[in-house]
Amino acid sequence: EAQVTQNPRYLITVTGKKLTVTCSQNMNHEYMSWYRQDPGLGLRQIYYSMNVEVTDKGDVPEGYKVSRKEKRNFPLILESPSPNQTSLYFCASSLASSTDTQYFGPGTRLTVL
Amino acid sequence: GENVEQHPSTLSVQEGDSAVIKCTYSDSASNYFPWYKQELGKRPQLIIDIRSNVGEKKDQRIAVTLNKTAKHFSLHITETQPEDSAVYFCAATLGNEKLTFGTGTRLTIIP
Repeated sequence: EAQVTQNPRYLITVTGKKLTVTCSQNMNHEYMSWYRQDPGLGLRQIYYSMNVEVTDKGDVPEGYKVSRKEKRNFPLILESPSPNQTSLYFCASSLASSTDTQYFGPGTRLTVL
Repeated sequence: GENVEQHPSTLSVQEGDSAVIKCTYSDSASNYFPWYKQELGKRPQLIIDIRSNVGEKKDQRIAVTLNKTAKHFSLHITETQPEDSAVYFCAATLGNEKLTFGTGTRLTIIP
């Protein structure tokens, strides 16, 4: 089954404790991205990747890191999480670019205390 | 960068009536405008999109119109049904890299 998976689905952590949210797709997609969803603010792009080893900042990259060592995986890293990073996070992938259909993962709800 | 504004933030319509959601974008070079639907507790899913070389696109009860001169595009849902209740997001892309979403519209269909 073609899909985008994220882990964990739910995470409660404390300020400053490094964490990684994994994202994987099995559709051989080139383009992958991360979004955060907050009430009243919609979906905001954090980082995107056009291909392996190619990543770039979205609209809200501060406090986040990403890597794209393999085509199928695009982990989101919070090296020192803060309470303002409490949010619902979505990973998405598409065939080649932002102008193709984005397939979203199930979401990761993160709470930083 | 691109900025997308979406209105209204909430919309309630009687079942069977039409619903219209409007978005404006800032960069006249933007070239792709998708609409995503997010049901409660679910992930966003594409419902329709339009490219800058087209003025209107329809898919059954859903249509999108694009006015490049005014830099706005709209989602039209006709003969609304209870399953249309969801949050709808518009988006715009400049080039083919970044994708900027609007803030969302919560649509409620009243039986």
